[in-house]
Amino acid sequence: GEDVEQSLFLSVREGDSSVINCTYTDSSSTYLYWYKQEPGAGLQLLTYIFSNMDMKQDQRLTVLLNKKDKHLSLRIADTQTGDSAIYFCAESIGSGGSNYKLTFGKGTLLTVNP
Amino acid sequence: KAGVTQTPRYLIKTRGQQVTLSCSPISGHRSVSWYQQTPGQGLQFLFEYFSETQRNKGNFPGRFSGRQFSNSRSEMNVSTLELGDSALYLCASSMQGKNTEAFFGQGTRLTVV
Repeated sequence: GEDVEQSLFLSVREGDSSVINCTYTDSSSTYLYWYKQEPGAGLQLLTYIFSNMDMKQDQRLTVLLNKKDKHLSLRIADTQTGDSAIYFCAESIGSGGSNYKLTFGKGTLLTVNP
Repeated sequence: KAGVTQTPRYLIKTRGQQVTLSCSPISGHRSVSWYQQTPGQGLQFLFEYFSETQRNKGNFPGRFSGRQFSNSRSEMNVSTLELGDSALYLCASSMQGKNTEAFFGQGTRLTVV
């Protein structure tokens, strides 16, 4: 079955690195995603990683995937107050032009203190 | 380029009523997916439409339905509203249905009283 779990809260100081962790259960997941949701807003896709990759870096964001342990993490370098938001981990199954549903974690509330 | 537009942004309905929510995808996008977000259950997939056909469906009762028009705009309908249907309803659009290329709207906040 599909299940995605992540810790609910993370608090960091401005300028520090933030690491948000996620575990998933479905080994047939094709893509894993990180979304950001700010108050009153929809979801913004931050980054995603294909299941045959170990790492992906995009500016301040680094995604690490440990497929053996089904563990995904998002590292935000030099965290700013504007990074305060809820971060969702999600997985999907399928490839090519087919769309399969996204299964989301419950979200991690990141609070960045000045 | 306009983003994904959901209307209305906020809605208050009474138990037992029905409601219709609208999602206008980004121009050229043919796939629209709907999600329900509640504090208790989190984000849950409702259904996905592509070229006017429902391709995927989540585990929701038959009171939840949807459709997609020839211009790719999509509507979802909830009949016989229950208090538990209070949620933020989000839609996402993409050209071919790939989540890696999908954009979300700001959502419709439905409150059932």
